[in-house]
Amino acid sequence: SQQGEEDPQALSIQEGENATMNCSYKTSINNLQWYRQNSGRGLVHLILIRSNEREKHSGRLRVTLDTSKKSSSLLITASRAADTASYFCATHQGAQKLVFGQGTRLTINP
Amino acid sequence: KAGVTQTPRYLIKTRGQQVTLSCSPISGHRSVSWYQQTPGQGLQFLFEYFSETQRNKGNFPGRFSGRQFSNSRSEMNVSTLELGDSALYLCASSPEGQGAWGYTFGSGTRLTVV
Repeated sequence: SQQGEEDPQALSIQEGENATMNCSYKTSINNLQWYRQNSGRGLVHLILIRSNEREKHSGRLRVTLDTSKKSSSLLITASRAADTASYFCATHQGAQKLVFGQGTRLTINP
Repeated sequence: KAGVTQTPRYLIKTRGQQVTLSCSPISGHRSVSWYQQTPGQGLQFLFEYFSETQRNKGNFPGRFSGRQFSNSRSEMNVSTLELGDSALYLCASSPEGQGAWGYTFGSGTRLTVV
């Protein structure tokens, strides 16, 4: 079963706009990670936020974590066509595994 | 440095056959995890190996098995293939498998069972 629920399932925006994806999870976590997947290929690790952190930045990415609400958001600023992909949140709960959400399919229109 | 290498990239098998997939982790990484991705179930954890020992296993039938060699390379095997085993199989490596630094994934093996 999937731990994370992502919202929206699909998002289509114009190039240059910001994209926000949300993730909710059910149990306490050690950290939460975001991954990108292009066209059914492998996952690319984007950013990791630990349970004691509230916000983290990496280039055009900003991730927030609210452990009281068991939710996280990923913001991509100034989107580009190359950002078109599926984005997954994954929680790490102490065992040696990630539990993934169903993903958000992001389309950037030129 | 080289990334995670999975072979083969594509595979077509017939129901009832068995298949072996291979994964070479990043040099120095001792943990290898396997995930199955399907449109219906999404990404699901299969198992994780560290220093040749299976430390964790997902909710998959015994037809799914794996192993890790002393050089950290890992193989997974699926016996008596079923149509529902058609999926993208992803391998991920990490230094210690505790997720503290994220995982590096391979490009996957797309298995089609006919």
